[in-house]
Amino acid sequence: DTGVSQDPRHKITKRGQNVTFRCDPISEHNRLYWYRQTLGQGPEFLTYFQNEAQLEKSRLLSDRFSAERPKGSFSTLEIQRTEQGDSAMYLCASSRTGLAVNYEQYFGPGTRLTVT
Amino acid sequence: AQSVTQLDSQVPVFEEAPVELRCNYSSSVSVYLFWYVQYPNQGLQLLLKYLSGSTLVKGINGFEAEFNKSQTSFHLRKPSVHISDTAEYFCAVSDPRDDKIIFGKGTRLHILP
Repeated sequence: DTGVSQDPRHKITKRGQNVTFRCDPISEHNRLYWYRQTLGQGPEFLTYFQNEAQLEKSRLLSDRFSAERPKGSFSTLEIQRTEQGDSAMYLCASSRTGLAVNYEQYFGPGTRLTVT
Repeated sequence: AQSVTQLDSQVPVFEEAPVELRCNYSSSVSVYLFWYVQYPNQGLQLLLKYLSGSTLVKGINGFEAEFNKSQTSFHLRKPSVHISDTAEYFCAVSDPRDDKIIFGKGTRLHILP
């Protein structure tokens, strides 16, 4: 169990540019979640996948945001035409459903995005 | 819909003193309750969780929490804090149907020497 990994850990971009983040969940976990955390706030839910299916998207996820999880393994979160308000920590988490579930989400270290 | 209120944004406490971090939640359905800790520049780590059963839940690092259904509270306690407990603590709820987590705004625990 190597844990949830995220890449990159830090990203600085100019307003208007596109960025893509990657999350690799724990290998046997079928659920994958994206959260956003701004300074002084708790993480806010963005979207989640069960295997490759995206089951729910928050209203926070504007049309500029898109997430994918091809083949039910790693996931990518893309932000198009970034805005300064997109500056935040983007957290990924994974969990397992089924008979052995323990109702626990395991979080990655996050990707800190700064839009200048 | 669920929501979580953490009543204190910051809590200063002297080293080796007890601490209580307060959390209240609202939900129209039964929920699971969690406390997560975030150390500086690190990801979130689960301290403890309440799913069902005994209302007193023990977690890692000497922390415990008590679920009170009538008061819709899930306060976190530790009898004696250490400087290493300096961190941000998040109370959270999840709907068992999708286990999407709703977090509170966090409480920063500041340990005084």
